[in-house]
Amino acid sequence: DQQVKQNSPSLSVQEGRISILNCDYTNSMFDYFLWYKKYPAEGPTFLISISSIKDKNEDGRFTVFLNKSAKHLSLHIVPSQPGDSAVYFCAASAPLSQGGSEKLVFGKGTKLTVNP
Amino acid sequence: DVKVTQSSRYLVKRTGEKVFLECVQDMDHENMFWYRQDPGLGLRLIYFSYDVKMKEKGDIPEGYSVSREKKERFSLILESASTNQTSMYLCASKVQGYGYTFGSGTRLTVV
Repeated sequence: DQQVKQNSPSLSVQEGRISILNCDYTNSMFDYFLWYKKYPAEGPTFLISISSIKDKNEDGRFTVFLNKSAKHLSLHIVPSQPGDSAVYFCAASAPLSQGGSEKLVFGKGTKLTVNP
Repeated sequence: DVKVTQSSRYLVKRTGEKVFLECVQDMDHENMFWYRQDPGLGLRLIYFSYDVKMKEKGDIPEGYSVSREKKERFSLILESASTNQTSMYLCASKVQGYGYTFGSGTRLTVV
């Protein structure tokens, strides 16, 4: 049962336009969400995050929006650049359980291609 | 800055070999994780550890084991490598309350 879903395996946009990557989740216990970016043959790198107490977080060209009632978040990249071409993973975290660790639950990723 | 180091970027091993993948972090993090990444399947958790000598199975532990004898080092062991374990293996560490830092990954090919 997938708790974090990225329903679009791929997305292609023109340089300078907006890229919107979507992510849905099913577990209402999730309270922290992150986006990671991954280039081929490299490990994922942290991009941006948002706590469930917020509905928007912005960092330069990257903005994450959270709609808790819809259990949906999205990553907006404006303007898109060819160097943004990568796989983007959405991840979610639930609060610590007694004696446990904060496992991140990942979506399957969306491959973004930004065309020059 | 935070650093997670995986000992090998590329490995080629034969079917049936015992394979060790090493991961070291320099941040005194409690939590460490091993994932594998396959096209169309995303990142799947194999094992994780929240303290020295403590380990828990993830979603796909079959065919793998782990070792955490020191806080900074988390090893993934393929007891008898098989071709369906050909994959990109990613180690990560995490301080509670923050996100992961990933290593560069190990691309393992089992022939």
